[in-house]
Amino acid sequence: SQQGEEDPQALSIQEGENATMNCSYKTSINNLQWYRQNSGRGLVHLILIRSNEREKHSGRLRVTLDTSKKSSSLLITASRAADTASYFCATNAGGTSYGKLTFGQGTILTVHP
Amino acid sequence: KAGVTQTPRYLIKTRGQQVTLSCSPISGHRSVSWYQQTPGQGLQFLFEYFSETQRNKGNFPGRFSGRQFSNSRSEMNVSTLELGDSALYLCASSSDGTYYGYTFGSGTRLTVV
Repeated sequence: SQQGEEDPQALSIQEGENATMNCSYKTSINNLQWYRQNSGRGLVHLILIRSNEREKHSGRLRVTLDTSKKSSSLLITASRAADTASYFCATNAGGTSYGKLTFGQGTILTVHP
Repeated sequence: KAGVTQTPRYLIKTRGQQVTLSCSPISGHRSVSWYQQTPGQGLQFLFEYFSETQRNKGNFPGRFSGRQFSNSRSEMNVSTLELGDSALYLCASSSDGTYYGYTFGSGTRLTVV
């Protein structure tokens, strides 16, 4: 079963605009991760944020985490056509949840040139 | 360094047959996890191996099994294939399986006819 939901399910923007995707989850977590997937290929790890962190940056990516609301957001600034992909959030509960990431349903991002 | 390698990339099998998929993790990574991705159910955790031991298992029937070798390479096996087993099977490696990000392979696309 999926941990939570991602919003929106699909997002269409122009190059240069910012893209924001939201993720909600249901149970307590050790960390939350964001992944990108191009056309049914493998997942690419983008960023990991731990439960005691509130914000993290990596290049054009900014992730926030609000554990009180059990939600996270991923912001991609100055989007490029190459950012077109599906984006997934995934949570790890820590402890004995070895290897287990629980994924959201994903957001399909389309960036038009 | 080399990424996660999954073989084969594509596979077509007949109902009732069995199949074995292979995954070579990143050198030094001892945790290997397997995921099934389908349009209907999304990404679902199958199981995780660390140092040849299964530490965690998802909610899949016993037809799905796996193992890990001393060099950390892993295989998963699906016996008595059903049409519903058609999916993209993804392998992910991690240094510890819990507190760090995962590196995914490109996946094996299994089609059961």
